[in-house]
Amino acid sequence: TQLLEQSPQFLSIQEGENLTVYCNSSSVFSSLQWYRQEPGEGPVLLVTVVTGGEVKKLKRLTFQFGDARKDSSLHITAAQPGDTGLYLCAGAVGGGADGLTFGKGTHLIIQP
Amino acid sequence: GAGVSQSPRYKVAKRGQDVALRCDPISGHVSLFWYQQALGQGPEFLTYFQNEAQLDKSGLPSDRFFAERPEGSVSTLKIQRTQQEDSAVYLCASSLSTGANEKLFFGSGTQLSVL
Repeated sequence: TQLLEQSPQFLSIQEGENLTVYCNSSSVFSSLQWYRQEPGEGPVLLVTVVTGGEVKKLKRLTFQFGDARKDSSLHITAAQPGDTGLYLCAGAVGGGADGLTFGKGTHLIIQP
Repeated sequence: GAGVSQSPRYKVAKRGQDVALRCDPISGHVSLFWYQQALGQGPEFLTYFQNEAQLDKSGLPSDRFFAERPEGSVSTLKIQRTQQEDSAVYLCASSLSTGANEKLFFGSGTQLSVL
């Protein structure tokens, strides 16, 4: 079983601050996805990273895939209350569509 | 509808009862997944369908759990003789194709509480 560890588990910061959350594994993934989940809803895909060292930007969010494709980070600049939610990383091992392995998530609260 | 629809939204069952959870994926989506999400945790994979074929059921916790997708569209997850440890949110997701990088579209889930 491939284990994805996310840190921190909980993070509460003030609006306007920057933050980084991490997703680490001892396994190599063919791709890694980041999702955001709000209470009472299903996860919503933010980004997929495929290539080692890849960096993708989505407005104030910057995603990076480690060179060895074992880890990833999500950096948020000037956090806003609307960024509050559970951030999940999920890794795929092979090329097929078998179930993704999810981390336990980072619970992020942005206080106004 | 435009998204993945799950019903019921909430289900309360007495221990020992059987329950059936329904998932309507996005029309035309080939792949369908069921996940179990405990409170405060990430989703855990249960089973995967490609059209009507159940290609992976390695995540089903016990033989009390059974899933089907007989016509390659709607899927039902059945749990027999429910136990308290079955309490969780059950999420269904679908994707257009079968690649590992395909975007998964999740439903809002069914929250199951076993008393």
